Amino acid sequence: AQKVTQAQTEISVVEKEDVTLDCVYETRDTTYYLFWYKQPPSGELVFLIRRNSFDEQNEISGRYSWNFQKSTSSFNFTITASQVVDSAVYFCALLSNFNKFYFGSGTKLNVKP
Amino acid sequence: KAGVTQTPRYLIKTRGQQVTLSCSPISGHRSVSWYQQTPGQGLQFLFEYFSETQRNKGNFPGRFSGRQFSNSRSEMNVSTLELGDSALYLCASSLAPGGYGYTFGSGTRLTVV
Repeated sequence: AQKVTQAQTEISVVEKEDVTLDCVYETRDTTYYLFWYKQPPSGELVFLIRRNSFDEQNEISGRYSWNFQKSTSSFNFTITASQVVDSAVYFCALLSNFNKFYFGSGTKLNVKP
Repeated sequence: KAGVTQTPRYLIKTRGQQVTLSCSPISGHRSVSWYQQTPGQGLQFLFEYFSETQRNKGNFPGRFSGRQFSNSRSEMNVSTLELGDSALYLCASSLAPGGYGYTFGSGTRLTVV
């Protein structure tokens, strides 16, 4: 069975704090893809990163970084020096071999000035 | 280039009615997928179309149906609406399997009263 768990329902931080959003996944597929999406109040899902199951290199993009660990089935997302504009709901997702997304329940991030 | 366009943006329908939602994918994308987002169930996969053929279907009743046209535009239909069908319906298009270039639209927010 495919499953994505985001245990943190809501996180509140003060601007400039670092914050890590957790994502744990389950799959029996050997080839799969992991994603992070940001959903602002407008509703659109904004793509942040795509990772395939064979690439465990961590990635950094500006203030964003991702830590992919197959051994623990985790794909965590860290925002460094958070800003108010980072406030949104963040979804972790797993794409199975059948081109079907499984989304986590999302983590609402509140960044206060 | 233009993104994924969903129309209408908002919709209010009465229980028992039917509704049709439209999704125009990014030019050149031939795969269109639909998702339902509700506070209780989160983001759930409805179905995927590729080259006018339904390739994959989620666990939704037969009241939910869709189709894809030769220009890759897709429509989703829900018949005999129920209050629980109130949700944000998101469409995503992609160039190829594997989530490459997977892009979501802003969604249609359906309210059933």
